[in-house]
Amino acid sequence: NAGVTQTPKFRILKIGQSMTLQCAQDMNHNYMYWYRQDPGMGLKLIYYSVGAGITDKGEVPNGYNVSRSTTEDFPLRLELAAPSQTSVYFCASTPSFRGDNEQFFGPGTRLTVL
Amino acid sequence: AQSVTQPDIHITVSEGASLELRCNYSYGATPYLFWYVQSPGQGLQLLLKYFSGDTLVQGIKGFEAEFKRSQSSFNLRKPSVHWSDAAEYFCAVGARGNTPLVFGKGTRLSVIA
Repeated sequence: NAGVTQTPKFRILKIGQSMTLQCAQDMNHNYMYWYRQDPGMGLKLIYYSVGAGITDKGEVPNGYNVSRSTTEDFPLRLELAAPSQTSVYFCASTPSFRGDNEQFFGPGTRLTVL
Repeated sequence: AQSVTQPDIHITVSEGASLELRCNYSYGATPYLFWYVQSPGQGLQLLLKYFSGDTLVQGIKGFEAEFKRSQSSFNLRKPSVHWSDAAEYFCAVGARGNTPLVFGKGTRLSVIA
């Protein structure tokens, strides 16, 4: 198993550009999450999904969109990049059958918006 | 609403010394509690978790944590710190049923010789 994979690892965007952060997991986990990590602020939930076709907003969804067309993939879309979106983005997943809520994290994508 | 407080932003300990990282949570029901570690430039790795049973839980890398319901705490401990333990540590709380976790702001651990 590759676990949770994220691409790209690093990206620099100009203000107003758009991009998609990719996240995939090969563990057949139903639950998937997107977090952003800012220095000294911990992780903040952006969006999450409980299964294909179902997504919901987290604490900081503004400026982002998600889709979940398959169990494996959960891409995060930035439509009009802003400097405030400079952050490290983590994707995570959880198997629904365990119920203990342990999340498995990807390696992260470091995004800079200039 | 759930919340997690990690009172210490940065802790420095000598190699071989003991370590305790504090975590206090706010949650109405029985919480699911986690400690994750993040090495520089890396993702988060689970150290240990608690959701029922024995309140003293053992994790990887020689870490342990104790759940104290009366104090709403879940402190992380290690009897002897190694230089490789230098990292950022996050406490998180969740609920049964795979609801999203709420993370503390993290504690950065530095280890000196």
